[in-house]
Amino acid sequence: GAGVSQTPSNKVTEKGKYVELRCDPISGHTALYWYRQSLGQGPEFLIYFQGTGAADDSGLPNDRFFAVRPEGSVSTLKIQRTERGDSAVYLCASSLSTGSDHNEQFFGPGTRLTVL
Amino acid sequence: DAKTTQPTSMDCAEGRAANLPCNHSTISGNEYVYWYRQIHSQGPQYIIHGLKNNETNEMASLIITEDRKSSTLILPHATLRDTAVYYCIVRVGGYGNKLVFGAGTILRVKS
Repeated sequence: GAGVSQTPSNKVTEKGKYVELRCDPISGHTALYWYRQSLGQGPEFLIYFQGTGAADDSGLPNDRFFAVRPEGSVSTLKIQRTERGDSAVYLCASSLSTGSDHNEQFFGPGTRLTVL
Repeated sequence: DAKTTQPTSMDCAEGRAANLPCNHSTISGNEYVYWYRQIHSQGPQYIIHGLKNNETNEMASLIITEDRKSSTLILPHATLRDTAVYYCIVRVGGYGNKLVFGAGTILRVKS
């Protein structure tokens, strides 16, 4: 079946511009996560959605970063006034939300953002 | 979430077992040990997880010490396609819990 998809795969923008990154989770997965991965480091948590609401946004670095999931499926990560330090791979993951202790997170291939 | 410590890199000969260690001395009683791997230019992929018993699936085996302060991921017959960064993560079970990744171990499988 289809996995998590992310678009675009690559995005190059100029400092100060606005960007939107899209994530299509696996159908039926109510939990959705965004992570950011800088070169040579492990992924870093940004935000977690349960359905349409952001249940944990403690990883968003500042108020330039915002994410939405209006219908509980597709999510968009929005970055305003981009800075060169925002350059990274942005990863999206989704999972079921069951009563089990284990709900595997399935990751997409990521969007590589480059801010010039 | 408890912190984990892993070697920076390891080499393994193709066809041999790869044993990847992880220390998690501050793990809590309700925290699981998870292993993910990330092949170059791909998103992380779940491998296996366990609480206190040893676990085995089609990909790997997970050996957790009795005191739960360390664990070892075993790939029984490593192939070139197993070259990746392997992350050991401890986290509370259930959904909605973020994964806290460290730097992981770069495993290089060589022919």
